[in-house]
Amino acid sequence: EAQVTQNPRYLITVTGKKLTVTCSQNMNHEYMSWYRQDPGLGLRQIYYSMNVEVTDKGDVPEGYKVSRKEKRNFPLILESPSPNQTSLYFCASSFAYEQYFGPGTRLTVT
Amino acid sequence: AQSVAQPEDQVNVAEGNPLTVKCTYSVSGNPYLFWYVQYPNRGLQFLLKYITGDNLVKGSYGFEAEFNKSQTSFHLKKPSALVSDSALYFCAVRDVSGAGSYQLTFGKGTKLSVIP
Repeated sequence: EAQVTQNPRYLITVTGKKLTVTCSQNMNHEYMSWYRQDPGLGLRQIYYSMNVEVTDKGDVPEGYKVSRKEKRNFPLILESPSPNQTSLYFCASSFAYEQYFGPGTRLTVT
Repeated sequence: AQSVAQPEDQVNVAEGNPLTVKCTYSVSGNPYLFWYVQYPNRGLQFLLKYITGDNLVKGSYGFEAEFNKSQTSFHLKKPSALVSDSALYFCAVRDVSGAGSYQLTFGKGTKLSVIP
């Protein structure tokens, strides 16, 4: 089944403790992206990647890092999480136009 | 910079009536436009897109949208609403001209409630 998977689905952590949210797709898509969803703000793009080793900033990259060493994986790294990064995070991938979204990761930073 | 506006936070419509969810956009070049739907506790699902060609595009679940370049709008429509259409709808735009053309910008979302 073609899909985008994210892990973990739920995470509660403390300020400053480094974490990684993994994202993997099995559709051989070149384009992958991370978004955060906050009430009243919709989805905002954090980072995107056009291909392996090619990444670029979206609208809200501060406090986040990404890497794209393999085509199928695009992990999101929070080096020192803060409470304002509490949000619902979505990974997505696409081949041409429409994006396929993962199920989301709900992150709470206390 | 590109942007999307969805002027209505919520739209209520009676089952069987036509529905419209509004979207306007701003880009410096040519737009690719998209609609996505999010059901409760789920990820987003693609509904339809405008890339080029016919201004009226048809998508999944009986939805359609009309691209209007002069009004910079891309409203989502359905002739007859179903209760199962109740969800959160997002409009999105890509400016395919120049730098940053892979960046996708979403609107804030419109909650559609279809009343039985």
